[in-house]
Amino acid sequence: KQEVTQIPAALSVPEGENLVLNCSFTDSAIYNLQWFRQDPGKGLTSLLLIQSSQREQTSGRLNASLDKSSGRSTLYIAASQPGDSATYLCAVSSNTGKLIFGQGTTLQVKP
Amino acid sequence: NAGVTQTPKFQVLKTGQSMTLQCAQDMNHNSMYWYRQDPGMGLRLIYYSASEGTTDKGEVPNGYNVSRLNKREFSLRLESAAPSQTSVYFCANRPGHQPQHFGDGTRLSIL
Repeated sequence: KQEVTQIPAALSVPEGENLVLNCSFTDSAIYNLQWFRQDPGKGLTSLLLIQSSQREQTSGRLNASLDKSSGRSTLYIAASQPGDSATYLCAVSSNTGKLIFGQGTTLQVKP
Repeated sequence: NAGVTQTPKFQVLKTGQSMTLQCAQDMNHNSMYWYRQDPGMGLRLIYYSASEGTTDKGEVPNGYNVSRLNKREFSLRLESAAPSQTSVYFCANRPGHQPQHFGDGTRLSIL
């Protein structure tokens, strides 16, 4: 059974820091891996999607990497800003689109 | 998330009552999903529908039923609500192999 784990559960950093969020999964037979952002009381917004054949994806200050063989993904946020404060969720997908989520990392960026 | 609309946004039920959570998409995508989100547990898949008229169980289907009568709508029904079903429920669709789009959620409390 696929399990997804995110570490740390919570993170607080001063504005301007570069930071890394971690995601690990137990079964390397994934279709893709996604990173989502969730603001309090809101739904999920997709940030980056990495296909199983890819190693990384970039969008602005965000960079996500994928190492299928070790069952790991990282989300790198450069030059963090208070507006980045949110919960970040990673999820792995089968080819049917069914997502298995991690528990999330709640990020606070202090001004 | 204008593409996926969930109603109601909030609901309080008594144990044993029934209700249907509604989800509608304004796109024309085949796949739709229902998840629940509990504190510290991330999102878990309840049911999904790969196309109109088809549904399949996800990770936590017990106590729920779903209906996909047309391509636009995918409803989730609680026949006899239990306190353990207190949660935030999210509906999503998937445009092909692109990231899923999520609704803003229904916050359900069962007393």
